[in-house]
Amino acid sequence: DAGVIQSPRHEVTEMGQEVTLRCKPISGHNSLFWYRQTMMRGLELLIYFNNNVPIDDSGMPEDRFSAKMPNASFSTLKIQPSEPRDSAVYFCASSLVGVSTDTQYFGPGTRLTVL
Amino acid sequence: GEDVEQSLFLSVREGDSSVINCTYTDSSSTYLYWYKQEPGAGLQLLTYIFSNMDMKQDQRLTVLLNKKDKHLSLRIADTQTGDSAIYFCAENGGNTGKLIFGQGTTLQVKP
Repeated sequence: DAGVIQSPRHEVTEMGQEVTLRCKPISGHNSLFWYRQTMMRGLELLIYFNNNVPIDDSGMPEDRFSAKMPNASFSTLKIQPSEPRDSAVYFCASSLVGVSTDTQYFGPGTRLTVL
Repeated sequence: GEDVEQSLFLSVREGDSSVINCTYTDSSSTYLYWYKQEPGAGLQLLTYIFSNMDMKQDQRLTVLLNKKDKHLSLRIADTQTGDSAIYFCAENGGNTGKLIFGQGTTLQVKP
């Protein structure tokens, strides 16, 4: 299995621009998680989906952030408009919840820099 | 609420044992996990332990769980420079599928 795939790996954009991060979970997994990691705040859960349905989006910082999961093999996290404080590494993870150990498998992350 | 606490930094010499500690609050957790994050990479599962176990050993790694005190530890024997990374403790309290992560412990291995 290829593991969780994220794109792009690096994104540099200017303040005010729209940013879209993409994730392909491991085939057969039923849950997908978006995290943000910064030095100041550590690892934060932004939102998670179960069977393509958003279950908990309480970690989404504000209305500028939105996430979708149109099917079991694809999810996006969008920031519009972006701000310098959004600069962070964004991770996607997937797991098979309710069947085994609930282990989450992480992608390599997207490093976002907003100038 | 759910909370997982770890010390932030540990420095050891190559060849020594490292012990990373973690405390958690949710007694309903069925699994507890240790993840490793190397620079520029995502989190990688190192090992996990079922909550009805006291100990799990996997090569150089030993996980100890004290459920009464809600304390989890990871021992790395014969620590190598390649073990330098951030180590995250996590628990799946509430069985929602969500994992609650600690802040991560940075392990520095000196040659």
